[in-house]
Amino acid sequence: DAGVIQSPRHEVTEMGQEVTLRCKPISGHNSLFWYRQTMMRGLELLIYFNNNVPIDDSGMPEDRFSAKMPNASFSTLKIQPSEPRDSAVYFCASSLQGGYTFGSGTRLTVV
Amino acid sequence: AQSVTQLDSQVPVFEEAPVELRCNYSSSVSVYLFWYVQYPNQGLQLLLKYLSGSTLVKGINGFEAEFNKSQTSFHLRKPSVHISDTAEYFCAVSDFGNEKLTFGTGTRLTIIP
Repeated sequence: DAGVIQSPRHEVTEMGQEVTLRCKPISGHNSLFWYRQTMMRGLELLIYFNNNVPIDDSGMPEDRFSAKMPNASFSTLKIQPSEPRDSAVYFCASSLQGGYTFGSGTRLTVV
Repeated sequence: AQSVTQLDSQVPVFEEAPVELRCNYSSSVSVYLFWYVQYPNQGLQLLLKYLSGSTLVKGINGFEAEFNKSQTSFHLRKPSVHISDTAEYFCAVSDFGNEKLTFGTGTRLTIIP
């Protein structure tokens, strides 16, 4: 199994631009999670899906952030418009009955 | 709602010495407990987990943790550390039947040669 696959690994964008982060979960896992990691705030859960349905999006910072999971093998996290304070490492994780498997993350820098 | 406290933000330890990383949690229901390790510029990797059964859980890389319900703790231990154990360690908790994990703020383990 290739694990959880995230793309891109690094993204540098200008303030105001749209950013799309992608995630392919492990086949057979029925839950998917998006986390953001910063030095100041640590690991924050943004949103999670179960069987492709958003269950809890209370961690999404504001309307500029949106996430979709159109099928069991793909999810996106979109920021539009992006701001410098969105700079962070964004992790995707998938799970089946306890214990997450994390992707390698996307390091986003907004300048 | 559950929460996790990792009191030690940094722990320096000499190589081959034992180490304990502390984790306390709070929850109003039964919990699942986890320890993850994050090496520089990498994602988080599961070290071990407690779901039920024996309170002493053994994980990868020689680590183990003990669930203590009365003290609401899940401390991580290793009898002899190596340079390769240098990393950030995160304790996490989820309520029974809920897949949402809440993470602690992490403990940076530094091994001194």
